[in-house]
Amino acid sequence: AQTVTQSQPEMSVQEAETVTLSCTYDTSENNYYLFWYKQPPSRQMILVIRQEAYKQQNATENRFSVNFQKAAKSFSLKISDSQLGDTAMYFCAFMKHVYPGNTPLVFGKGTRLSVIA
Amino acid sequence: DTGVSQDPRHKITKRGQNVTFRCDPISEHNRLYWYRQTLGQGPEFLTYFQNEAQLEKSRLLSDRFSAERPKGSFSTLEIQRTEQGDSAMYLCASTREPFFNEQYFGPGTRLTVT
Repeated sequence: AQTVTQSQPEMSVQEAETVTLSCTYDTSENNYYLFWYKQPPSRQMILVIRQEAYKQQNATENRFSVNFQKAAKSFSLKISDSQLGDTAMYFCAFMKHVYPGNTPLVFGKGTRLSVIA
Repeated sequence: DTGVSQDPRHKITKRGQNVTFRCDPISEHNRLYWYRQTLGQGPEFLTYFQNEAQLEKSRLLSDRFSAERPKGSFSTLEIQRTEQGDSAMYLCASTREPFFNEQYFGPGTRLTVT
């Protein structure tokens, strides 16, 4: 079974600064996806960024980027130029790729990020 | 294109009562998932459907939990004889071929069992 570990329950960052959230996972699979989801207070979960395991290039979405280290089974999220709206719970998640349609998500426990003005 | 909707958003019930939650996926999304999220934890997978077929239900927490998607559109999750330990946020997500790796989540139903 796959497991996802987020070792930082809470983090804070000053507005406009950069912060990195950590995630490690355990799997024997070779073909999978990794995700970071954001859950703002009292609002629904939204996808921040996705990484395909077969791609060596790290995914980037505007101010959000990942550092994917497949051998180390590490998948960290870097948020640049932090904004107050980035305040949220951030979940790292794993999905095994199977044909025809993948598996449900396995989530970590989350990291609560507070952006301070 | 409206997002995933869930109803009700909040439910308070007494122990022993039955509750039913509804999820309406994004139109044309043929796959629908149910997750449970307890305080301080990440979502935990419960069950999922492709069209009206329930593809996995072994992860439902007990036989008090059941789910349906009778016409391949909306889905319901029922909990019978609720217990205080059932208090949680119940999340629904949907996706479609060939983008099964993009799940869109609803706002959730928060259940409180007193």
